[in-house]
Amino acid sequence: DAKTTQPNSMESNEEEPVHLPCNHSTISGTDYIHWYRQLPSQGPEYVIHGLTSNVNNRMASLAIAEDRKSSTLILHRATLRDAAVYYCILRWGNFGNEKLTFGTGTRLTIIP
Amino acid sequence: DGGITQSPKYLFRKEGQNVTLSCEQNLNHDAMYWYRQDPGQGLRLIYYSQIVNDFQKGDIAEGYSVSREKKESFPLTVTSAQKNPTAFYLCASSRQGGSDEQYFGPGTRLTVT
Repeated sequence: DAKTTQPNSMESNEEEPVHLPCNHSTISGTDYIHWYRQLPSQGPEYVIHGLTSNVNNRMASLAIAEDRKSSTLILHRATLRDAAVYYCILRWGNFGNEKLTFGTGTRLTIIP
Repeated sequence: DGGITQSPKYLFRKEGQNVTLSCEQNLNHDAMYWYRQDPGQGLRLIYYSQIVNDFQKGDIAEGYSVSREKKESFPLTVTSAQKNPTAFYLCASSRQGGSDEQYFGPGTRLTVT
């Protein structure tokens, strides 16, 4: 399975943008890039996903490098509620392999 | 409201006993999953099911069993053969296909002593 590499932790000031990096140099052509986040003692929450093009939704933006070997999750204006562990995950795009392989993620701390 | 429910939130058992964790979804999703999370770690896949009456082992299936008799339900049994059963257990569901997001339940924290 293709793997992802993320920094263990990051800090950001409240109301400033946050850029969370993810490296996935062994990504295959059918792998989707997914981001989830998890608050303490809760189940993970879907944030965003993409394949090749940059994606935006109400929660965040996903910037995907042209060679797809890295991506960046962008929180445009961090709030205290964005403090969580963020997971970058590759998921095979074809039906029949439904695994989401979670690493240890990036623990994001928001400073008031 | 549509979603995934897991019960109970906290569960305590004595070593050597089997225990079944409940997972129900009303999202009309075909695929369902069970994950285990240990402190400070990411999630690891135990079992998944893409359709009723069918399921596949994940990365750490030993000591666990599942059933999928109904689309809405995917119970997980932690057997006495599981050497380290104390963990946070998460159930998820999704529509078919690798591009679809998974929706997670609130989790069950199992403690075995």
